[in-house]
Amino acid sequence: EVQLVESGGSSVQPGGSLRLSCAASGFTFYSHWMHWVRQAPGKGLVWVSRINADGSSTGHADAVKGRFTISRDNARNILYLQMSSLRVEDTGRYYCVRDLATRLDYWGQGVMVTVAS
Amino acid sequence: SYVLTQPPSVSVAPGETASITCGGDKIGTKPVHWLQQKPGQAPVLVVYDDDDRASGIPERFSGSSSENAATLLISRVEAGDEADYFCQVWDVTTDLYVFGGGTKVTVL
Repeated sequence: EVQLVESGGSSVQPGGSLRLSCAASGFTFYSHWMHWVRQAPGKGLVWVSRINADGSSTGHADAVKGRFTISRDNARNILYLQMSSLRVEDTGRYYCVRDLATRLDYWGQGVMVTVAS
Repeated sequence: SYVLTQPPSVSVAPGETASITCGGDKIGTKPVHWLQQKPGQAPVLVVYDDDDRASGIPERFSGSSSENAATLLISRVEAGDEADYFCQVWDVTTDLYVFGGGTKVTVL
């Protein structure tokens, strides 16, 4: 059974930093691209970042480029999102998501990030 | 950047068919995927590559795509189908993943 379990969510002040983690199990983690997708309270889904299977290539939405970094540890089956210079508009639930041929086929339950003073 | 446009809401009576559109420039050239999100839950993939049903999804869910719009149909709608539905594509030109704004399906 595919499982994606996020951790690291918290409340932080604007300008602060946070690192999210996602522990993956039940599939060959090193074979899949992975993503982070966020959702502000009561709003829609917004793609944040993606990383290819071996970690050699990443992509980020314009809204987070230069502030967020996605990475992975294939030996430990963990996906990360390092977030810095956090803004109020970064508030939301962050989902760890598996990619299969551009479709986002498995989602974690998400972790909440609140940026407020 | 690539934009996907969905109607904010669709209302349908039980047993009828709900139709949710997803508009985008030349969307017919891209595989379109559909996600269902019920309140308080993570999204679930329901249809991928325009018209393939994900594992465990009832046959009542079907998808199609044309030049500038993709459509998700939910036939014989049930109360349990009430949810937000999002379309999603990968824009190869920009290497960005894009979601539509979401459509809230209400069963009357």
